[in-house]
Amino acid sequence: GAVVSQHPSRVICKSGTSVKIECRSLDFQATTMFWYRQFPKKSLMLMATSNEGSKATYEQGVEKDKFLINHASLTLSTLTVTSAHPEDSSFYICSASTDGNTIYFGEGSWLTVV
Amino acid sequence: AQTVTQSQPEMSVQEAETVTLSCTYDTSESNYYLFWYKQPPSRQMILVIRQEAYKQQNATENRFSVNFQKAAKSFSLKISDSQLGDTAMYFCAFSNTGNQFYFGTGTSLTVIP
Repeated sequence: GAVVSQHPSRVICKSGTSVKIECRSLDFQATTMFWYRQFPKKSLMLMATSNEGSKATYEQGVEKDKFLINHASLTLSTLTVTSAHPEDSSFYICSASTDGNTIYFGEGSWLTVV
Repeated sequence: AQTVTQSQPEMSVQEAETVTLSCTYDTSESNYYLFWYKQPPSRQMILVIRQEAYKQQNATENRFSVNFQKAAKSFSLKISDSQLGDTAMYFCAFSNTGNQFYFGTGTSLTVIP
């Protein structure tokens, strides 16, 4: 299957600072990438859909000014959590679509805001 | 709107036995894709199996097979010869071919040695 790499796997940041998470498709070009947040023992919550070269589409209730998504190339999308607060601590996971029909996931990133 | 329902929050199975995880979905579309993803304790989401709605033959991947009932909108996953490494959360998912994906709430499977 296609490989998606996400970095960093774990990050700790101070409250009020910003942190960036990268999602890369290693062996295919992904016109569309997705960002999810997952709470403990819960399903994936779609935050936004990222299309290369255009603005991301955010789901209802997701603050686009807080969760900045950039999809500058066909192999890289980034999620920046701005002015992070402890309630932003969570597991964030990205996925990329190969053909519009199947998605492959990155390893996920644990964010802890202290 | 598309919905995916997994009615079994938790299941367990003895090692080497067979277990079936249930999934139902609702859609008005005729062409779509269905998936099972596995999320072990590492939290990495792994694609287990994929089924294209227009294919009548049930997909299989080694010990994993599906029972796809299109009329009933049912898509169950059978795991044969269960292994300890199969312990994980399993998510059923639906894609409408328009780059939109919908996930069920997951089934936590424990394989008992």
